[in-house]
Amino acid sequence: AQKITQTQPGMFVQEKEAVTLDCTYDTSDPSYGLFWYKQPSSGEMIFLIYQGSYDQQNATEGRYSLNFQKARKSANLVISASQLGDSAMYFCAMRGGRRALTFGSGTRLQVQP
Amino acid sequence: GAVVSQHPSWVICKSGTSVKIECRSLDFQATTMFWYRQFPKQSLMLMATSNEGSKATYEQGVEKDKFLINHASLTLSTLTVTSAHPEDSSFYICSAPLTSGSPRETQYFGPGTRLLVL
Repeated sequence: AQKITQTQPGMFVQEKEAVTLDCTYDTSDPSYGLFWYKQPSSGEMIFLIYQGSYDQQNATEGRYSLNFQKARKSANLVISASQLGDSAMYFCAMRGGRRALTFGSGTRLQVQP
Repeated sequence: GAVVSQHPSWVICKSGTSVKIECRSLDFQATTMFWYRQFPKQSLMLMATSNEGSKATYEQGVEKDKFLINHASLTLSTLTVTSAHPEDSSFYICSAPLTSGSPRETQYFGPGTRLLVL
């Protein structure tokens, strides 16, 4: 079974500052992928970043980076230079042997001017 | 990039009626699609896996006779909520993987359908 835990229901960050959203996971699959999605109030799921369990380097996509610590089973999302448009729900997700994603409970990020 | 569409985006219906939601992959073929349900302020929960040309696979606790899934073609899956009740009111969202077999496989989500049953 797979489990994703996001312990921060809500986070505040000042515009232009960096913020870290926490995600820990548990799985028995030897190979897995970790994803972060952004969900604005419209409801659409926007793919942000992917990290493979065997990737040697932490993933980066523009202002998004993933702090992957395999031994700790954590995959934290770092957003640099926060913008007002970053205010949304953020979901950490995992895929292992199954192709469907398992999602965490989400973190609501609010960027303040 | 890959696009997945859903129709309708909003539906309001009376209790006891059936509602059909369509999920289409617009520029790629999807032999598998996934249906998720999201209640307000909660996470996405997988309801079922839709397989083209075969029966859908339902998650534990999801009534297959209530949530009928048909994957009639490589680009279309439909979810029918039969005899809808107020507790079925939710945000239904589908997804389709672009490539198969790899953990890196990216899933593309439809924009979702908000269902309100009165």
